[in-house]
Amino acid sequence: AQSVTQLDSQVPVFEEAPVELRCNYSSSVSVYLFWYVQYPNQGLQLLLKYLSGSTLVKGINGFEAEFNKSQTSFHLRKPSVHISDTAEYFCAVSESSGYSTLTFGKGTMLLVSP
Amino acid sequence: EPEVTQTPSHQVTQMGQEVILRCVPISNHLYFYWYRQILGQKVEFLVSFYNNEISEKSEIFDDQFSVERPDGSNFTLKIRSTKLEDSAMYFCASSEGRDSGYTFGSGTRLTVV
Repeated sequence: AQSVTQLDSQVPVFEEAPVELRCNYSSSVSVYLFWYVQYPNQGLQLLLKYLSGSTLVKGINGFEAEFNKSQTSFHLRKPSVHISDTAEYFCAVSESSGYSTLTFGKGTMLLVSP
Repeated sequence: EPEVTQTPSHQVTQMGQEVILRCVPISNHLYFYWYRQILGQKVEFLVSFYNNEISEKSEIFDDQFSVERPDGSNFTLKIRSTKLEDSAMYFCASSEGRDSGYTFGSGTRLTVV
């Protein structure tokens, strides 16, 4: 079984500042890693995913994440945030074999202010 | 861009009543899922569906729950006798393949009173 820990429930940041949202996972098998974003009253939108290959993954809206196997982390970063990035961000993991059931973290609310 | 469509967006029901949550997955997707999110808690897996049968289900998905793909487009989640603790946001998702990432719908907020 896998688990995901998102250490920060809320991250306040000023517009145009850099941000890092932290995600650590636990698994006894190889995994795929995902970040999803949920804007108010909307569904979950895939930001980026790591399946294999390069450990630095680029996603939509200028976000990127780096897979660190030794630290079992998959932190999400953006060099300069906008007001419109205010949303809930979920890290998720699935086994890389078998059916791709996702295990989610509790989410991190990113609050961008002017 | 193709979307997963869920209806209704919000449903209020009395405890003990049956509810059916509806989803239209993306047309060429083969894998279908239901997840739920109780307010303030994690998004939790309920069930996955592939090739017209349940492929995996969680402990939450007990005998009160069932899923069906009644025709070529709809994918439904039925809760036979709702309980207060079933109140949550229910998300439907579909994927083309095992590692292609899901597309989620906007969710149905179920409130059991």
